[in-house]
Amino acid sequence: GAVVSQHPSWVICKSGTSVKIECRSLDFQATTMFWYRQFPKQSLMLMATSNEGSKATYEQGVEKDKFLINHASLTLSTLTVTSAHPEDSSFYICSAGSGQEISYEQYFGPGTRLTVT
Amino acid sequence: AQKVTQAQTEISVVEKEDVTLDCVYETRDTTYYLFWYKQPPSGELVFLIRRNSFDEQNEISGRYSWNFQKSTSSFNFTITASQVVDSAVYFCALNSETSGSRLTFGEGTQLTVNP
Repeated sequence: GAVVSQHPSWVICKSGTSVKIECRSLDFQATTMFWYRQFPKQSLMLMATSNEGSKATYEQGVEKDKFLINHASLTLSTLTVTSAHPEDSSFYICSAGSGQEISYEQYFGPGTRLTVT
Repeated sequence: AQKVTQAQTEISVVEKEDVTLDCVYETRDTTYYLFWYKQPPSGELVFLIRRNSFDEQNEISGRYSWNFQKSTSSFNFTITASQVVDSAVYFCALNSETSGSRLTFGEGTQLTVNP
C-alpha cells in the first residue's frame, strides 16, 4: 500500500508558541489530504480537507486562524497550530488520497502527538 | 448526515476466545464503503478491510472475519481465537457518495485480550 509519513512523531511546545506538522505522501501523488485530531480515548475527528493548490475546507467548529493548513505540493501538506494552548494537546493524524471522490482510498500517516505545556 | 455507531466501548476477553465487535451505520446514499481499522497503543491506524455497499459477501482473512448485512445496516467484525496482540482500539468507518473520500468514524471499541 501507499506510504504516508508525518513529522515530527511527537512534539512538546510551550503555550503561546506555534508548531508545524508535516504530512508527506512518499510514493504517490496526494491530490487530497485530510487532517484529523484525536483526544485520548476518543475517536478521530476530521478537522479539514485540503486539496493541492487550493485553500483548505474546515469542518464546523474548527478555527481556521488557529489551525493553518497548507497543501502546496502533491506530496506535502502542513498543519500549523498557532498560539498553541494546553487544550490543543492531542494526537494529530493526516491521511492522503489521490482524490476526493468516494472511490479513492485514503492512506493514514502514523500521527503526531502534540503536548503543549 | 451519516453516522457510525460502535455500541461496545470496551470488551475484555481471555486469549483464544472468539470476540465480535459490532458496527451499525447510517447513510442515505446507496453507494458507500465501510472500513475497519485497528489502532494499537502506538497510535498508528492499521487498515483491515474496505467493503463496497454492493458486495454483501462475508469475508475471511486468517483469524479475522467480517459480516456485512445491509438489512440491519451492520458490518460486524469477528476475531477468532483471539491473541494478546489483538489488544487495541478498533474503529469502524464509513464514506459515501455524499461525503466522497471523507471518512466518518465510530467511537471505537477498546479490545483487551488477557493471557
